[in-house]
Amino acid sequence: DTEVTQTPKHLVMGMTNKKSLKCEQHMGHRAMYWYKQKAKKPPELMFVYSYEKLSINESVPSRFSPECPNSSLLNLHLHALQPEDSALYLCASSQVFGTVGANVLTFGAGSRLTVL
Amino acid sequence: GQQVMQIPQYQHVQEGEDFTTYCNSSTTLSNIQWYKQRPGGHPVFLIQLVKSGEVKKQKRLTFQFGEAKKNSSLHITATQTTDVGTYFCAGVDTGNQFYFGTGTSLTVIP
Repeated sequence: DTEVTQTPKHLVMGMTNKKSLKCEQHMGHRAMYWYKQKAKKPPELMFVYSYEKLSINESVPSRFSPECPNSSLLNLHLHALQPEDSALYLCASSQVFGTVGANVLTFGAGSRLTVL
Repeated sequence: GQQVMQIPQYQHVQEGEDFTTYCNSSTTLSNIQWYKQRPGGHPVFLIQLVKSGEVKKQKRLTFQFGEAKKNSSLHITATQTTDVGTYFCAGVDTGNQFYFGTGTSLTVIP
């Protein structure tokens, strides 16, 4: 299995809703990432988990809350989002974090989020 | 802070023409990766370059890493409609931080 699976593919939520994005990989990768991508822009790193521990938080607002329940799963909990948070949220994984040759990213298809 | 710029931002070519995108970092990189994102899709890894001056080829694609490890290029020979998409470089600095380039969007006109 060489895939990263993300659900849901599309999500529409109001500013007072609570929702979660889910990501799963079975490649044995020990690093998992959340990226945010706006139209016609490069992916922006939000969080990195390495061996199930949060390694990097790129000063992301607390209305985004990541969780890594185990080495295969990564969640992003969403609460009280703003319309400007509408974007494509990409999950990625790599063999490990920070080692040349083992840091190639495999991306999921993304969850397209619209905040009304 | 670290910046990775790509030029051009957009490129329209006739099918069969060549295409090149350039990636420039403000600081020396440990290595560089290239990704392709088709319209409506997600980034897909193409290649990684590690050594100074390295050149790698994948069929019609040629990737180069500069001698100073601050720039890179991707050249596509005889473009096809399947080459359409946005090409991103991703520089990795000596602290293992990824910096995605601004991307070059390629349109191929049949």
